[in-house]
Order: sequence, then C-alpha cells, then structure tokens
Amino acid sequence: DADVTQTPRNRITKTGKRIMLECSQTKGHDRMYWYRQDPGLGLRLIYYSFDVKDINKGEISDGYSVSRQAQAKFSLSLESAIPNQTALYFCATSEGGLAVNTGELFFGEGSRLTVL
Amino acid sequence: AQTVTQSQPEMSVQEAETVTLSCTYDTSENNYYLFWYKQPPSRQMILVIRQEAYKQQNATENRFSVNFQKAAKSFSLKISDSQLGDTAMYFCAPPDGSEKLVFGKGTKLTVNP
Repeated sequence: DADVTQTPRNRITKTGKRIMLECSQTKGHDRMYWYRQDPGLGLRLIYYSFDVKDINKGEISDGYSVSRQAQAKFSLSLESAIPNQTALYFCATSEGGLAVNTGELFFGEGSRLTVL
Repeated sequence: AQTVTQSQPEMSVQEAETVTLSCTYDTSENNYYLFWYKQPPSRQMILVIRQEAYKQQNATENRFSVNFQKAAKSFSLKISDSQLGDTAMYFCAPPDGSEKLVFGKGTKLTVNP
C-alpha cells in the first residue's frame, strides 16, 4: 500500500457542487500539504499544515478550505466547484523543517478533478 | 516572492545521449536542500535527486547528477545515458524561505529511440 493515499483518484463533477479530496498517510510525518498542478504552471501550494493544530494558506487558497482531522489525515474541500478548479491535485507530506530534516516531500498519487 | 526558473519548457534527446536541464532560483536561506522531481505519464511525483546546499560536492544518483553553483543559485540536472523511461516532466524544487518547497514550471523531456 502507498504511504500517502489520496481519494478519489479521479472525479468529474458539476459547477456549484461541493467536493472533498481526502489524504491519509502512514509515514508518521507531521507536515502535510495540498498542491495543485496545471499544465505549464508546475505545482502551486494551496494549503499546508505543520501539525494537527496548524493550518496555513498557500499561494492559491481562494475557493478552497482544508481540515486536519488527525496527524495522518488532511482533507481539501471545494465548497462550490468552478470549471477553473479543474486540475490535478496532490497531497504531500514531509518529516519536518529544514533545520530538522531535508524537507523532502513524499507525494500521493494525485487526484484528477474535472469540473463541468 | 520566491522565484524558480526552468528556462527550457521542452527538450528532447536521443536514447543513450546526455541531456542537461537547467534551474535557477532565488532564496535568502543559507543552509538548505534542493530537489529534482520527475513526473512520468503515470503522473506520480518521484524524487530524482537532492543536493545539500552547504556541501560543495555535487550529488550523484546513478545516471543522474547535478551541477550546483550556490553563489549563482543554479541547480542543473544532468541525465547521462538517457533511457526511454526517463521521458517525463522534471521539476526543480528549492526552498521558499519558509521551510517549504517551491516548484518550477517544469521541463518536459522526451527521450527518442
């Protein structure tokens, strides 16, 4: 089984619907992240959490919200999906800050979301 | 804002040849790690190689090596003896100054038989 698991892997929905993407990890990492990938734009950070009680906005948080339910779980919600949120979404984890560890990210397999 | 520049949106190389992907970045940190990730058509993000900034020796992982020039903030990836399985998007990822990584826009590499 994958160390970082995302569900669903693929989802097609309609404008205005609420969507939740879930992420769970078995790596025991404190830090979790949600990224969005669009062609030609690389990966952009949506939200991140350095521990269970910590939630921070990233570069492109508008239209998204997150919940850190436990150390191992970090979910991303689109309250009212719109077509320009069509993208590939990645959850990632890391062990700690650069002062403690390398900062290397461990990724889930991605969730392809299409908003019609 | 932190900037990462991968100046080659697309590259191609013949099988068994060598190719170099460029990356420049901007950071105020002094001690940090930088990473190259690859994303094959399967879309999985896979770590290729990492470099510790305070080490002068360039990192090497089998056919993959980096040319790290700290003062110039340059971090290029060299792939030797290219293989068809190296066909992928490659992303450079330095730190953003806040204990997170920031990603370049990627270089799409195609290895031709």
